[in-house]
Amino acid sequence: DIQMTQSPSSLSASVGDRVTITCRASQGIGNFLAWYQQKPGKAPQLLIYGASTLQSGIASRFSGSGSGTDFTLTISSLQPDDVATYYCQKYNSAPFTFGQGTRLEIK
Amino acid sequence: EVQLVESGGGLVQPGGSLRLSCVASGFTVSSNYMSWVRQAPGKGLEWVSVLHSGGSTYYADSVKGRFTISRHISKNTIYLQMDSLTTDDTAVYYCARIRGYTTSLNYVDCWGLGTLVIVSS
Repeated sequence: DIQMTQSPSSLSASVGDRVTITCRASQGIGNFLAWYQQKPGKAPQLLIYGASTLQSGIASRFSGSGSGTDFTLTISSLQPDDVATYYCQKYNSAPFTFGQGTRLEIK
Repeated sequence: EVQLVESGGGLVQPGGSLRLSCVASGFTVSSNYMSWVRQAPGKGLEWVSVLHSGGSTYYADSVKGRFTISRHISKNTIYLQMDSLTTDDTAVYYCARIRGYTTSLNYVDCWGLGTLVIVSS
């Protein structure tokens, strides 16, 4: 099975900073990758699908890129509301594995 | 409005069984792929199972042979039958709708609030 590895596992940044989270697949998955945001005590929320397409209603400061095995989620200007854990997920075929998550905090 | 509401969680002893339910509104489960995702306390998301609109099912290795996903079309509900439970199955279980049929649309676009399953003696 394909493994999904995110880095870093946690990160602390200041409001206004540009933040980048990486997700690596152990084998190529095309662009069949989604990013989710999960705030404490809440269900996850879809941010990006197709590696780079922003879900409707999501702030434009979020963006995604990559294909094959290496993917990136970028927050262009970190806001206090962005405190959350972020997960990538492959969906090219079952099992639809998630990355282990990246916890994002405000410095 | 698209909505998913899970129920059926609770405390169960190791080796026991539990059936989770997920009632959908705003769309029909028979026309969509549906999935279960779980999250152990303080841990990350783990994909559990998917049910295709045509009836095909897939499971994570960790639950294969013990869990069964199914649906009741007239009740617009999906289920997760969980047997031979172990303490490792303790988690919040989320019901999730898959966006569409083709591979390019196989991501989750709607999540329920989750139901907590605790496996403990």
